[in-house]
Amino acid sequence: GAGVSQSPSNKVTEKGKDVELRCDPISGHTALYWYRQRLGQGLEFLIYFQGNSAPDKSGLPSDRFSAERTGESVSTLTIQRTQQEDSAVYLCASSFGARSSADTQYFGPGTRLTVL
Amino acid sequence: DAKTTQPNSMESNEEEPVHLPCNHSTISGTDYIHWYRQLPSQGPEYVIHGLTSNVNNRMASLAIAEDRKSSTLILHRATLRDAAVYYCILRGGEYGNKLVFGAGTILRVKS
Repeated sequence: GAGVSQSPSNKVTEKGKDVELRCDPISGHTALYWYRQRLGQGLEFLIYFQGNSAPDKSGLPSDRFSAERTGESVSTLTIQRTQQEDSAVYLCASSFGARSSADTQYFGPGTRLTVL
Repeated sequence: DAKTTQPNSMESNEEEPVHLPCNHSTISGTDYIHWYRQLPSQGPEYVIHGLTSNVNNRMASLAIAEDRKSSTLILHRATLRDAAVYYCILRGGEYGNKLVFGAGTILRVKS
């Protein structure tokens, strides 16, 4: 079956430009998560959506980062005025969102962002 | 602050069992223990999770200590495809729905 998909798979941009990263979760999954993984490091949580609301935005590193979700489906992560330290793989995950600690997250392949 | 401690790396021979340890001495009563792994150049994938009892699935087994302060992920017969970073993660309580990843254990499998 279809898993979590992300686009683009790779994005190269110049410092100061805005970028949008897209995530298509598994159909029927009400919870959606964004994570970031810098080269050689572990994953950092960015934001969590339950439906179209974001009850946990605690991981967004600055006000240059924002995300939205519409139709309890697609989500877009936007980074404004990109900086070189934003270079990373951005990973999206979705889950049934049963508000249970046993809930399993399914990850997409990620978008590799390079800021020159 | 993942609140789990894992060895940085481990090595195994192909087709031999692998025991990956994880310490979580500050685990709370409602925290689940989750294991994910990340193969090279891929997103993480779920392996197994448990609360108190040992668990088995098609990928692995999870052995949880009686006091729940540690757990062990068991791969019964390692293959080259099992070479990955394995993350032991506590889920629930103060972390809510998000996964808090530590550094994990790099598993190398020798043929």
